[in-house]
Amino acid sequence: QLVESGGGLVQPGGSLRLSCVGSGFTLSNYWMLWVRQAPAKGLEWVSRIRGDGSATGYADSVKGRFTISRDNAKNTLYLQMSSLRVEDTAVYYCTRDFYYFAMDVWGQGTTVTVSS
Amino acid sequence: QSVLTQPPSVSAAPGQKVTISCSGSSSNIGNNYVSWYQQLPGTAPKLLIYDNNKRPSGIPDRFSGSKSGTSATLGITGLQTGDEANYYCGTWDSGLSGGVFGGGTKLTVL
Repeated sequence: QLVESGGGLVQPGGSLRLSCVGSGFTLSNYWMLWVRQAPAKGLEWVSRIRGDGSATGYADSVKGRFTISRDNAKNTLYLQMSSLRVEDTAVYYCTRDFYYFAMDVWGQGTTVTVSS
Repeated sequence: QSVLTQPPSVSAAPGQKVTISCSGSSSNIGNNYVSWYQQLPGTAPKLLIYDNNKRPSGIPDRFSGSKSGTSATLGITGLQTGDEANYYCGTWDSGLSGGVFGGGTKLTVL
């Protein structure tokens, strides 16, 4: 199971940190990803991090503004978001990549709204 | 504009079969594994197919996947009203060094 938290309303240019706590499996054994979904839109891959944290990747739309990290001792994944834009408004899902970008465990999502 | 192309909608009657296509390129579908997801309204996506044609445990064999070249297809047989949902294909794009999804297909069971 994955449980996200940290979403909310933030002004453009602001920052927010999302957290995702895993249970029932060892997070460090998997690549972990963030995927978002803007209102009435499709899925968009945001970022990923290797099990040991040694490698990360970002979508061009968030590169340089978002930072993914993990604390395996706490079985927790993070997404630090800064310089937020209106177009970052979305439900953010934490998910487990169990086989070459096949995501088998998803959190319930946390909503981020960027608005003045 | 999504990197992977899916039809916006498909429909069929209960009990019938439907297929949903997902078209890409050599940098994504052509050289990587495809997965398929079902998203019911207000819920998180659910994995239906991985590795092009494999079903996770608990997914009925009414759902099937295939891949040929730079396209993939999701098939659903014995349609039920509970299958009404949005369906997404996804894969890794080696050129972009990032994950990509199709724009989603809304399935209506008439």
